[in-house]
Amino acid sequence: GQQVMQIPQYQHVQEGEDFTTYCNSSTTLSNIQWYKQRPGGHPVFLIQLVKSGEVKKQKRLTFQFGEAKKNSSLHITATQTTDVGTYFCARQNSGGSNYKLTFGKGTLLTVNP
Amino acid sequence: DADVTQTPRNRITKTGKRIMLECSQTKGHDRMYWYRQDPGLGLQLIYYSFDVKDINKGEISDGYSVSRQAQAKFSLSLESAIPNQTALYFCATSDTRGSDIQYFGAGTRLSVL
Repeated sequence: GQQVMQIPQYQHVQEGEDFTTYCNSSTTLSNIQWYKQRPGGHPVFLIQLVKSGEVKKQKRLTFQFGEAKKNSSLHITATQTTDVGTYFCARQNSGGSNYKLTFGKGTLLTVNP
Repeated sequence: DADVTQTPRNRITKTGKRIMLECSQTKGHDRMYWYRQDPGLGLQLIYYSFDVKDINKGEISDGYSVSRQAQAKFSLSLESAIPNQTALYFCATSDTRGSDIQYFGAGTRLSVL
């Protein structure tokens, strides 16, 4: 279907460790968006990936789109306490309901200082 | 996003009551959405509207209705609230000209007793 699966559901790290969350689909994705929600906050857009094999960086965050456009990952290098939150990927649905996003269930990251 | 305003921010109501959650935006976006967030379930789409005359059901529309009073306003109603509608509700907007990145309001925390 039009779902995306995110793993892991939870991740606890020590400050300074790296973190990766994965987003997988059984069908080809036209694009993938990533959002971050801080505790008690609302989702905030981070980035959109469109091209096969695309890699984008935002400071310590690296986003990748798989060659087959069926998976994506978000990697954080040397986590900081400010990275705490839930990271969601979202796929843009195809067909008549274009521009309707389907969100994954998210990965909750906690960082121990 | 400060340009997407949700009211009220918190609401406690009783089973069987009718309540309305309101969303207004100053971003000039044509598309508006209502999501529900439950712990561990990510963001589930309730209704969405691509313009004033367009209303579409999302994944979990049963028990909810919406009204798009103007381009800038999109309200969500619970005709007869029930306890399992206790959740965090988010309104979001997007622009057809902006890759449909979604901008979220701060959320309404609803408790149905």
